[in-house]
Amino acid sequence: DTEVTQTPKHLVMGMTNKKSLKCEQHMGHRAMYWYKQKAKKPPELMFVYSYEKLSINESVPSRFSPECPNSSLLNLHLHALQPEDSALYLCASSQDWGTGNGNTIYFGEGSWLTVV
Amino acid sequence: EDQVTQSPEALRLQEGESSSLNCSYTVSGLRGLFWYRQDPGKGPEFLFTLYSAGEEKEKERLKATLTKKESFLHITAPKPEDSATYLCAVLPRGGYQKVTFGTGTKLQVIP
Repeated sequence: DTEVTQTPKHLVMGMTNKKSLKCEQHMGHRAMYWYKQKAKKPPELMFVYSYEKLSINESVPSRFSPECPNSSLLNLHLHALQPEDSALYLCASSQDWGTGNGNTIYFGEGSWLTVV
Repeated sequence: EDQVTQSPEALRLQEGESSSLNCSYTVSGLRGLFWYRQDPGKGPEFLFTLYSAGEEKEKERLKATLTKKESFLHITAPKPEDSATYLCAVLPRGGYQKVTFGTGTKLQVIP
C-alpha cells in the first residue's frame, strides 16, 4: 500500500469554485511533488517542493496554487479552473530532490478532478 | 533534451508466455532509471530503481536490467494480475532535476 495519501479521491467542481487537494506522506521524505495525468499519457510534472520550499514550477497557470505547510503535507489550491484541467492529479514524494540516490519518487493513488 | 521511448506500445500475452518490455533512453548522464506499474485510474506503483549499467533487480515475476542506452523489464510466466501499464522514467545526473517519463507499455495477460 502506498504511504502517500491523497484526499479527496474524486472531486467535481464548477469553473467558479475554489477547492483544494490534500496530500500527506509518512515516510519522512523531504521532497514532495504534484503531477497531472491525462488519459493514456504519462504523468506531467507541475511543482516540486524540497525542504518545504518551492523548487520547480513548470510554468503552471496561476489558477493552480501549491502550498507546503510542513514536510509531510502538500496542498493544491484550485480556483477558476477550466474543463481542460480535468485530469488525475498525483501527489508524490521522494527522500531527497536533486542530490544523491534518494530520488525514487513514490506516488499516491491520485485525485480525480472533473471541472464542469 | 532527455528522451525516453518505450516499446511496444501494447503487448498481449497468454498466461505463462514470457516476454520483455523495452525502454530506450537518451540522457546527459544517468542518475537513476525507474520502472512503475500503473493500474487504470490509480497512481503509478514503484517497482525498481536502477543506477548503473549492468545492474539487475528482481521482484516476483519481474526482472529489470540496465545498459548504457536501454532498460528491459522481463516478465516471466505472467499472470492476468500482471495486466497494467508499465512506465519507465529517467532522472539526469546534472542540470534540471526533473524525471522524464516514457509513454508506457500497456500489457494485457490473457488467461
